[in-house]
Amino acid sequence: EVQLLESGGGLAQPGESLRLSCETSGFTFNTYAMSWVRQAPGKGLEWVSAIDNTDGHGTHYADSVKGRFTISRDGFRNTLYLQMDSLRVDDTAVYYCVRPRSSVPYTRYFDSWGQGTLVTVSS
Amino acid sequence: DIRMTQSPSSVSASVGDRVRITCRASQDISSSLGWYQQKAGKVPTLVIYSASSLESGVPSRFSGSGSGTYFTLTISSLQAEDVATYYCQQANSLPLTFGGGTKVEIK
Repeated sequence: EVQLLESGGGLAQPGESLRLSCETSGFTFNTYAMSWVRQAPGKGLEWVSAIDNTDGHGTHYADSVKGRFTISRDGFRNTLYLQMDSLRVDDTAVYYCVRPRSSVPYTRYFDSWGQGTLVTVSS
Repeated sequence: DIRMTQSPSSVSASVGDRVRITCRASQDISSSLGWYQQKAGKVPTLVIYSASSLESGVPSRFSGSGSGTYFTLTISSLQAEDVATYYCQQANSLPLTFGGGTKVEIK
């Protein structure tokens, strides 16, 4: 069974940093590209960032977080990360770790979602 | 970026009714379109991928159609358990983008 478990959310002040983690199990982590998707309270879904599988080294970001967030992965720990710097009030959201339905490159439909971790940015 | 526009933003229908939700892309995305269901307080689940392929375990009353810039999600016979917000998502190119959502309720 695929499991994605996020952690690291919490309350931060504008300008501060947080690091999200997503511990995975139940699949061959290194063969899948992975992404983060967020959802502001009462709002829709927004893709945040993606990282290629370990055969590739590409990272990709939404314009709204480019230059402030960094996605990374640890193949030994089967863990995905999102380093969030220079946080803004509009970064407040539940952040989901998501896995595509196939390890085939460029598969961008997400069949596995973590439960999410809430990030609140407020002064 | 590719803009995804869903309509309507909400729909209220009776149990057994056919419900259609549309999603328009701002440019041609071929068949690279997915649909997600999100029940209140829950995590989104994938319903349809590649515009018309039914995800495993999803009831057959759900179907998807379309290509290019116009797509439709149809629930052939609405059930109480289908109450949720539905989102389309283009998978053609990065950044991935979602529609604004359609809330489906029972009349």
